[in-house]
Amino acid sequence: EPEVTQTPSHQVTQMGQEVILRCVPISNHLYFYWYRQILGQKVEFLVSFYNNEISEKSEIFDDQFSVERPDGSNFTLKIRSTKLEDSAMYFCASSGTSGRYYEQYFGPGTRLTVT
Amino acid sequence: AQSVTQLDSQVPVFEEAPVELRCNYSSSVSVYLFWYVQYPNQGLQLLLKYLSGSTLVKSINGFEAEFNKSQTSFHLRKPSVHISDTAEYFCAVSVDGATNKLIFGSGTLLAVQP
Repeated sequence: EPEVTQTPSHQVTQMGQEVILRCVPISNHLYFYWYRQILGQKVEFLVSFYNNEISEKSEIFDDQFSVERPDGSNFTLKIRSTKLEDSAMYFCASSGTSGRYYEQYFGPGTRLTVT
Repeated sequence: AQSVTQLDSQVPVFEEAPVELRCNYSSSVSVYLFWYVQYPNQGLQLLLKYLSGSTLVKSINGFEAEFNKSQTSFHLRKPSVHISDTAEYFCAVSVDGATNKLIFGSGTLLAVQP
């Protein structure tokens, strides 16, 4: 069964450093998402991406964040200058093969620890 | 704006007992409803969904949920739980026709005891 994959599984970085979290969505999906879950809190929407552009972003997704689909398979989240409060589990998700809504499939997550 | 409320942060239950995890949502437009499960140190797995049609939806492992539009609820039930059902359960909504972002509740930890 096809699945969403994410790398790395755990990333430790120092405050102020840039990190890139990588995701490989399910191959025929068209909609891509990033969510995050701070330890002990709810899962929060960050950004959605469709047709090579951001379709919606949350208030959390400020100028330090960016997303990119550099090729036909990868979907990346870049955090330019990490802060302590960026420590969280980051989930990538993908859905849809056409305009009709399909459920989102999540990857296993990347645990980001900012020290 | 949409929101999801899961009033119970933790539900302890003995093995083979029935369980209900409550979920209420707020929305002025039609929504799709989901339950996701997160086992320890793992990602989110879709447990079941309501998109349209029958208001009672079932999963392959014995869970079911019923969409109640008048009460804006989507409670999750299982008649007899197993130790292996111990996990965090998240209710989520998505709005039809938008970017389909998911809005999650705060989660309920189902702790099944022997």
